[in-house]
Amino acid sequence: EVQLLESGGGLVQPGESLRLSCAASGFTFSTYDMHWVRQAPGKGLEWVSGITGSGGSTYYADSVKGRFTVSRDNPKNTLYLQMNSLRAEDAAIYYCAKRGYLDVWGEGTTVTVSS
Amino acid sequence: DIQMTQSPSSLSASVGDRVTITCRASQGISNNLAWFQQKPGKAPKSLIYAASSLQSGVPSKFSGSGSGTDFTLTISSLQPEDFATYYCQQYNSYPLTFGPGTRVDIK
Repeated sequence: EVQLLESGGGLVQPGESLRLSCAASGFTFSTYDMHWVRQAPGKGLEWVSGITGSGGSTYYADSVKGRFTVSRDNPKNTLYLQMNSLRAEDAAIYYCAKRGYLDVWGEGTTVTVSS
Repeated sequence: DIQMTQSPSSLSASVGDRVTITCRASQGISNNLAWFQQKPGKAPKSLIYAASSLQSGVPSKFSGSGSGTDFTLTISSLQPEDFATYYCQQYNSYPLTFGPGTRVDIK
């Protein structure tokens, strides 16, 4: 069974950092682009970042460019999102999802940014 | 960036109704469009990709059509489990973008 499991969310103060992880199983991880999508409370879906299967190319939404870094460890079947200089507006549920049309999603991990 | 719009933003329907949701892209995206269903407190679920291809395990009452800039999602006979919010998403180019969502609730 194809599964994605996010972890690493929590409560941080503005300006602090957090690293999210997404553990993948049930498919050949290195073959697929992977993405992070977030959803602020009561809001719609916002794509955050993507990375190619090899990790050679990365992509970011303008709202996080320069603050967030996506990476992957293919031997460990794990996707990461390093989030620095967090702002109140970054508070959301963060989901990882597989391939460009996001065919499989994790359950999400919640990031709260508050002083 | 490609902007995605959806209409209506919400609708009320009865069990058994046929429901159609429209999604429009600000520029042509070929058939690189996906549809998702999201229920409260749950992760989005993939319904359709490539504008009209049904995701494995998704019932055939869901169908998608369109190409270029205009797309539709149709639910042929609405059931209680279909009351949810539906999003379209383009994956033709980065940044990936979503429509604002269409909430389907019970009349």
